[in-house]
Amino acid sequence: DSGVTQTPKHLITATGQRVTLRCSPRSGDLSVYWYQQSLDQGLQFLIQYYNGEERAKGNILERFSAQQFPDLHSELNLSSLELGDSALYFCASSARPGVGNSPLHFGNGTRLTVT
Amino acid sequence: AQTVTQSQPEMSVQEAETVTLSCTYDTSESDYYLFWYKQPPSRQMILVIRQEAYKQQNATENRFSVNFQKAAKSFSLKISDSQLGDAAMYFCAYRSANSGNTPLVFGKGTRLSVIA
Repeated sequence: DSGVTQTPKHLITATGQRVTLRCSPRSGDLSVYWYQQSLDQGLQFLIQYYNGEERAKGNILERFSAQQFPDLHSELNLSSLELGDSALYFCASSARPGVGNSPLHFGNGTRLTVT
Repeated sequence: AQTVTQSQPEMSVQEAETVTLSCTYDTSESDYYLFWYKQPPSRQMILVIRQEAYKQQNATENRFSVNFQKAAKSFSLKISDSQLGDAAMYFCAYRSANSGNTPLVFGKGTRLSVIA
């Protein structure tokens, strides 16, 4: 168990809809990362937050947005969904204060299916 | 921008044998970290091994070891005494050390099959 919790595990929705994916990082981790993994593909970095502030942006569409709250949990909002948005969305966390550069610990992902 | 290349989309190995998965990367940085992650059919991302670029000694974790060639920008993973449970997708990943807690850049992965 990585300690990173993602909800929901599965999500099925229709094109044009909006969904919210939730992530609770490992206790003490300040940084949250969102990745998208399409079928049989590698992981594409979307966005990173550190202690509530956006730190880095990857290939995130304008229809997608995210935020990190004061309790350090994060939400990824996907709107105007298209069939091509169907993917596995991972959240990962890292960066406990006082610990050097640590690896990312991943949640189990949210499987999004857009029909 | 950094890129990671895994040139072997699929590999197979006999149980108890040894297999090596290849990874190359492109960077102009001198300080960075390299990782191998395993993704079994459950789709979890599991850290297998990591290497700090400033360390010359290759990292080992039980049956898993790496061959890190900094000048060649190569980072291969060797799995010894392969087990059925090693069957999975394996992803090589790069992380810059320059600005702290940066995202990982992943390769496209190598699917490893283990034959009984």
